[in-house]
This record gives sequence, structure tokens and C-alpha cells, in this order.
Amino acid sequence: AQSVTQPDIHITVSEGASLELRCNYSYGATPYLFWYVQSPGQGLQLLLKYFSGDTLVQGIKGFEAEFKRSQSSFNLRKPSVHWSDAAEYFCAVGASVTGANNLFFGTGTRLTVIP
Amino acid sequence: EAGVTQFPSHSVIEKGQTVTLRCDPISGHDNLYWYRRVMGKEIKFLLHFVKESKQDESGMPNNRFLAERTGGTYSTLKVQPAELEDSGVYFCASSQLEGTEAFFGQGTRLTVV
Repeated sequence: AQSVTQPDIHITVSEGASLELRCNYSYGATPYLFWYVQSPGQGLQLLLKYFSGDTLVQGIKGFEAEFKRSQSSFNLRKPSVHWSDAAEYFCAVGASVTGANNLFFGTGTRLTVIP
Repeated sequence: EAGVTQFPSHSVIEKGQTVTLRCDPISGHDNLYWYRRVMGKEIKFLLHFVKESKQDESGMPNNRFLAERTGGTYSTLKVQPAELEDSGVYFCASSQLEGTEAFFGQGTRLTVV
């Protein structure tokens, strides 16, 4: 069965510190992987996606994620967090790299950034 | 360019009542998707329209939920009658064609009391 696990419900980091948000997936076919962010009052915004090729993908706002097939993981990282990164982050897996049909999302990780 | 717009942003209704949520996709986007997030849980797929046709409605929870997309433009999601477990945030997304990114709206928070 398809599923996504985000083990950390809430993470607090200091501004300027590095960040890693964990994501593990279970998917029966070739996974297409996504990270979305939802800032307060905003819709879900696509940060980055992976479907093939280089396992380290770069996204917007200075984020990157690394696909590790052996660990079924797709962790999101940022070397230096800004206060504006405070938001909720969702990992998702699907059957296509485009559109949004039948994506499986994790439960989300809420990020708090402290001065 | 306007993004995906959802109305209302928040709705509070009593159990047994009817509520209709609306989604205005980005102009020209043929694909429209509905998702739902029940409190504290994952965001779950409900259905996918291509223009006015339901392409995939495998995620619709039961027959109390009715989605329409008349004329292939905006879409409505009606819940009738609403139950307590229907509370959550309902997201809509749209994409132009196969092979393009989908854009999500800000969601409608539905509270059934």
C-alpha cells in the first residue's frame, strides 16, 4: 500500500541553523516524490520534486532533498533557516511527476523558527 | 495571474446541514483536484476532474459528497448531510495539462459541530 511517513510532527530550530525534515515512503511502483510547504494563510506550494536522475534535487527558497532508494527516504534539507521558513511541510508520493492526481501525503511537519 | 481561489475560507455548520465549497481554478487549467485534510492527519486525495469529467473519484469517502464542475470551469463540493468527521481543511488544486505543475488553493476549513 502507498503511504508516506513524516515522523516529526513539530520541529523547532534557531534562525541560521541547518534543517532536515524526514520523509519515508512506501510505494509499489517507481515513486515520484514531492515536498510542499504551506505558510500561514497560504495554499500548498511546491518546493521541489524528484522522478529520476540525480538523487539530490534543488528546489526553491534554498531547499534541497535527497532521494535514497535503499532507505525509501526523501529528506528535505536547508543549510541555513530563515524566520520566513516557519510553515508546515508536507512530503508526498505519486504516480506522476506532474499534475496532482492521487498524491499520497504525509501528516506534515510544522517548523518553528526562533531568533 | 490569479491563483486557485477557494470559497469560503472558513465554514462552521451544524451536523446534518448542507455545505457547498467552491473552487475557482487558474484560468485555462483543465485539470482540477480536490483533497482533504482531517485534523492532524495526512492530506488525502478526493477526486480529479479533466474539464467537466470526473477522471478519478476513487478518494471520495461516501455518497454524502458530491463534486461537480459545470462547464469545466469552477468546481463545487457539496457535503449533504454533514457529519462531525467531515471537519477538516478542503484543498483544491489545478493544472494546465498533463506534464505541468499543479497549484493549490489556500483551502476551506470546514467545522461541523
